[in-house]
Amino acid sequence: KQEVTQIPAALSVPEGENLVLNCSFTDSAIYNLQWFRQDPGKGLTSLLLIQSSQREQTSGRLNASLNKSSGRSTLYIAASQPGDSATYLCAPSSGGSYIPTFGRGTSLIVHP
Amino acid sequence: NAGVMQNPRHLVRRRGQEARLRCSPMKGHSHVYWYRQLPEEGLKFMVYLQKENIIDESGMPKERFSAEFPKEGPSILRIQQVVRGDSAAYFCASSTDLAGDRYFGPGTRLTVL
Repeated sequence: KQEVTQIPAALSVPEGENLVLNCSFTDSAIYNLQWFRQDPGKGLTSLLLIQSSQREQTSGRLNASLNKSSGRSTLYIAASQPGDSATYLCAPSSGGSYIPTFGRGTSLIVHP
Repeated sequence: NAGVMQNPRHLVRRRGQEARLRCSPMKGHSHVYWYRQLPEEGLKFMVYLQKENIIDESGMPKERFSAEFPKEGPSILRIQQVVRGDSAAYFCASSTDLAGDRYFGPGTRLTVL
């Protein structure tokens, strides 16, 4: 059974800092891994999708890396802004049905 | 292209009543996933469906819960005889295939009185 851990659980930083959010998973036989953000009381917004054959994906100020064999992924946020405040979730897809399994997320607050 | 639609957004039921949650996937998406998010907890997988088929229901309670995704119309998650512990946010996601992005709906927040 896939277990996903995200560290840190919470993070509060001043605007402008570069951030690293970590995700580890126990079953390295993943098909892909997706990063999401969730705003309070809202649904999930997809940020980046990395296929198992890829090492990283970039979108704007976001960069996600994947080390499948060690069961780790990292989301890097450059030059953080208050609008980045949200909970960030990683979800590797594994198992026969490639079901995404979620960690509990990293709750990020970026203050002006 | 509208995103994943869920309705109702908020649903209040008394203990013992039935709750029906609807999910309309994005156009062209034939894979639907249902998740439950309890207060202060992560998203837990419930069921994965393709048109007219349940592919994986390993996360769904054996009793009172059922799901369907008919050939026409939205996917339905049905909870019979609701209890207070069913109070949660229920999210559905859709994708074009196993390798694609999962797109999530805004969720249905169920409150059981």
